[in-house]
Amino acid sequence: NAGVTQTPKFRVLKTGQSMTLLCAQDMNHEYMYWYRQDPGMGLRLIHYSVGEGTTAKGEVPDGYNVSRLKKQNFLLGLESAAPSQTSVYFCASRELNQPQHFGDGTRLSIL
Amino acid sequence: QKEVEQDPGPLSVPEGAIVSLNCTYSNSAFQYFMWYRQYSRKGPELLMYTYSSGNKEDGRFTAQVDKSSKYISLFIRDSQPSDSATYLCAPGGNNAGNMLTFGGGTRLMVKP
Repeated sequence: NAGVTQTPKFRVLKTGQSMTLLCAQDMNHEYMYWYRQDPGMGLRLIHYSVGEGTTAKGEVPDGYNVSRLKKQNFLLGLESAAPSQTSVYFCASRELNQPQHFGDGTRLSIL
Repeated sequence: QKEVEQDPGPLSVPEGAIVSLNCTYSNSAFQYFMWYRQYSRKGPELLMYTYSSGNKEDGRFTAQVDKSSKYISLFIRDSQPSDSATYLCAPGGNNAGNMLTFGGGTRLMVKP
């Protein structure tokens, strides 16, 4: 009963470093999403995908890139990390008009 | 003005109390409404969802939607310390990404 799995759970980066966050779902969902959650800001959508091979920008896409080469995986990349990207990142997946299922998040600190 | 508004709290109640959590929205296109519960250091988990105006009950939880007023409520009866969490309302509708729009959440604390 894995659901949505996010890797890694924690990471500390230095400014300017790059990294990739991995999201994997085993429910065969078409739609996948990346959010960031900051105190007082709620969940803000970074990028999303409506199916394998597709990606689109959300509310706060700057500084991030994504890829969905396989239906079950959605990758979020930071090319040159900045302190403003310190946050908790959540991945979610869903089927059309059904509830979103979330992972447990990746806590990212950028020094 | 945010599209979905919630009082951030914290809301502190004694065990056994009836809790009312509220949410307002501005987009008339929203067609379905979800409530998520988020414990500290965990991802949001679905609590309830409804596709129409009116009430939907599930155990101690009741979701109420008034589309004419653009007002959503979640009631918790006989609240327990284990209900202490942040509650997020999330309406959605027919949009390109099948996206939900999340409120900022209300933090609830139920004291024994």
